[in-house]
Amino acid sequence: EAGVAQSPRYKIIEKRQSVAFWCNPISGHATLYWYQQILGQGPKLLIQFQNNGVVDDSQLPKDRFSAERLKGVDSTLKIQPAKLEDSAVYLCASSLISYEQYFGPGTRLTVT
Amino acid sequence: AQSVAQPEDQVNVAEGNPLTVKCTYSVSGNPYLFWYVQYPNRGLQFLLKYITGDNLVKGSYGFEAEFNKSQTSFHLKKPSALVSDSALYFCAVSGNTPLVFGKGTRLSVIA
Repeated sequence: EAGVAQSPRYKIIEKRQSVAFWCNPISGHATLYWYQQILGQGPKLLIQFQNNGVVDDSQLPKDRFSAERLKGVDSTLKIQPAKLEDSAVYLCASSLISYEQYFGPGTRLTVT
Repeated sequence: AQSVAQPEDQVNVAEGNPLTVKCTYSVSGNPYLFWYVQYPNRGLQFLLKYITGDNLVKGSYGFEAEFNKSQTSFHLKKPSALVSDSALYFCAVSGNTPLVFGKGTRLSVIA
């Protein structure tokens, strides 16, 4: 069974630029999550999708972050414009049942 | 609000010795508790979970964890540590809400 795929693996941008991350969940997993993991901290949930609907986006900084899962399969997370404090690893996870999540390798973002 | 505390930033143990990584939690209602492991440049890997039932939960790679309701703890244990167990370990809790992770404990197993 293929795991959760994410791209790119690494991205370096300047502040105020925009960036997008892509995630393809495990086939058949209806729930998809985006997490932000800042160095030295545990992952923090940004947004949770159930199929193509948003379940929870209470911690998503909506002035600069957006996410979509238009066809209920893969998803894109965008940051525009980026700030220095957005430097982090962005993890995507998917699940078939809500309490067993499978994580992708993450995208390491550096904002200079 | 639910929360997780991992009181140790770093745990060092000699290969072959037993290891314990501590976790305490706070949640309204019945907790769902998890342990994940993160190797360098890789995503989190699921180790084990407690949802209900037996307080001693067995997981992947010989790890186990004991749910203690009175102490609100869910410590991760392994009887005999391997060098390959060296990684970052995260405890997480869900009270039928999104997962909340602890800040992680770095385990270093020394040969």
